[in-house]
Amino acid sequence: QSVLTQPPSVSAAPGQKVTISCSGSSSNIGNNYVCWYQHLPGTAPKLLIYENNKRPSGIPDRFSGSKSGSSATLGITGLQTGDEADYYCGSWDDSLGIGVFGGGTKLTVL
Amino acid sequence: QVQLQQWGAGLLKPSETLSLTCVVYGGSFSDYYWSWIRQPPGKGLEWIAEINHSGSTNYNPSLKSRATISVDTSKNQFSLKLTSVTAADTAVYYCASHVVTRLDYWGQGNLVTVSS
Repeated sequence: QSVLTQPPSVSAAPGQKVTISCSGSSSNIGNNYVCWYQHLPGTAPKLLIYENNKRPSGIPDRFSGSKSGSSATLGITGLQTGDEADYYCGSWDDSLGIGVFGGGTKLTVL
Repeated sequence: QVQLQQWGAGLLKPSETLSLTCVVYGGSFSDYYWSWIRQPPGKGLEWIAEINHSGSTNYNPSLKSRATISVDTSKNQFSLKLTSVTAADTAVYYCASHVVTRLDYWGQGNLVTVSS
């Protein structure tokens, strides 16, 4: 059971927009930054969004992040087949004293 | 550019000790906390432990009794030992750099299988 809650799967057509939610509590998302990672099979996770809404160099602006209270959202516009992956939210948990993740959301681009 | 390279035994028997090491190339070793993350088959990511250059550590409470993370600043390396492994510890293990909540750089991952 993951500390952060994500939907198991989302899907949308190429070119469309999708959002992935991440719900936590006051001990994690509510009091700390949120990050988002893209994980393709057989590769290491890749940082997509950090500090709630910032993109590392090289990440296209099709990817966006937002946070409100103890929840966060990843948005992906202009979906491409190459975006098919598992997406994880992550944050720090002040009560546990360690980082925590969501269970992951599998994105299917139909 | 920071690069992480990790290694360790891939097949263990129940009750043995898992041992993994990660070496950091580039960047400033003292700028980050150095973390171990794992992903069991078909499951999500789990943060195991982290350490900084001065030896300050944080552990996942669920693994703290069995995990030990250590650092060797002379070699820009950090290591993880996990004792008394069971099949539940079968996972891909990653090392990663951690700063301000984000995991910037990751190792390539090691599949560790626990089986009798």
